[in-house]
Amino acid sequence: GAGVSQSPRYKVAKRGQDVALRCDPISGHVSLFWYQQALGQGPEFLTYFQNEAQLDKSGLPSDRFFAERPEGSVSTLKIQRTQQEDSAVYLCASRLQTFRDRAPNTGELFFGEGSRLTVL
Amino acid sequence: AQSVTQLDSQVPVFEEAPVELRCNYSSSVSVYLFWYVQYPNQGLQLLLKYLSGSTLVESINGFEAEFNKSQTSFHLRKPSVHISDTAEYFCALGSSNTGKLIFGQGTTLQVKP
Repeated sequence: GAGVSQSPRYKVAKRGQDVALRCDPISGHVSLFWYQQALGQGPEFLTYFQNEAQLDKSGLPSDRFFAERPEGSVSTLKIQRTQQEDSAVYLCASRLQTFRDRAPNTGELFFGEGSRLTVL
Repeated sequence: AQSVTQLDSQVPVFEEAPVELRCNYSSSVSVYLFWYVQYPNQGLQLLLKYLSGSTLVESINGFEAEFNKSQTSFHLRKPSVHISDTAEYFCALGSSNTGKLIFGQGTTLQVKP
């Protein structure tokens, strides 16, 4: 597709259940980001990939959160033993970035519509 | 540490009136600044950005923002708003030493007829 695609759009989980959220970035985009957006708040950074390398995972709130991008395209965010405080919209974004860019961090982030997780 | 603060959570305004959405930032290194907009039931999309050079940047739909280094601000303005401008607006900060963007809490612009 032309944009960033996330699935599922909505997920309801029972507390303690594991969930997996998928992100299909725009084809050819090198960088991929995961953000968590709680109700009424701005997006909070979780983690960032450049190709298959996870360059920054400083925003992951606990070791229950794990992200991967094994082939440098599709990414999965996994949350183990979900808790009620994990309820949020999880946003994925991608950015076109080439090694020829003089300032690769200046490019536009393209966001998906998000995956809304509700933990009961 | 870097941070972004949006001073107003909600800004109600009448159609055709001017509006200013405030954004302040904190950083010890040079920054790039962005405004993203989220229309109802849509994903975030870039509105405008400041990278370097002219401190006044404009979007295609009439918004503008001015980078003020001394006041560490990047306020968003529009001289005359439309109903269609109703949305959530996010200020964001990036820099050359990190790939991530740091977002503010967001400001809801409510344009009333």
